[in-house]
Amino acid sequence: AAGVIQSPRHLIKEKRETATLKCYPIPRHDTVYWYQQGPGQDPQFLISFYEKMQSDKGSIPDRFSAQQFSDYHSELNMSSLELGDSALYFCASSLQQGATGELFFGEGSRLTVL
Amino acid sequence: AQSVTQPDIHITVSEGASLELRCNYSYGATPYLFWYVQSPGQGLQLLLKYFSGDTLVQGIKGFEAEFKRSQSSFNLRKPSVHWSDAAEYFCAVGRDYKLSFGAGTTVTVRA
Repeated sequence: AAGVIQSPRHLIKEKRETATLKCYPIPRHDTVYWYQQGPGQDPQFLISFYEKMQSDKGSIPDRFSAQQFSDYHSELNMSSLELGDSALYFCASSLQQGATGELFFGEGSRLTVL
Repeated sequence: AQSVTQPDIHITVSEGASLELRCNYSYGATPYLFWYVQSPGQGLQLLLKYFSGDTLVQGIKGFEAEFKRSQSSFNLRKPSVHWSDAAEYFCAVGRDYKLSFGAGTTVTVRA
């Protein structure tokens, strides 16, 4: 079965650069979530989108923005990168804002900021 | 506010022995509770979930968890651990699927 696809899997950037992470949800899933997991930390909710509209917002820095496109894929844009942005970024998808009760996670995109 | 506490940061268990991972939650209403497993360098995989009904839920890979409302707990158990169960386990709570995760418990399996 198709899973959540994230790209790139690994990304190395310098401080103050910009990075873009992409997420392709499971087909027919209409809700996408972004989480950030710092080294040795638990995943922290950043933002979610339902039917291409932002549905909820967590601890996402103002330097970050995200959107969901007409094909339901989502992109997380991170600007003015800081060392502390180095983390594993998970995307998850669900149907009807999680009405089925389950988030399906991708394998994550590991961002390293030097 | 919702929160999850996993009291055990690291557990070492012998292969074939039983395993229990503790999870306590704080939530203002009836929670949706989840256990996820994360192998090194991998994504989060759902082991099991509780919404309502039978308080003992069965999951994949032989895991089960019991919801105890009076104790605000949702402990994960496995009767006989396999070496492949070595991973990090996260308990999570959420109602609107903005999940709050615990800090995780790392499980090491020794031969």
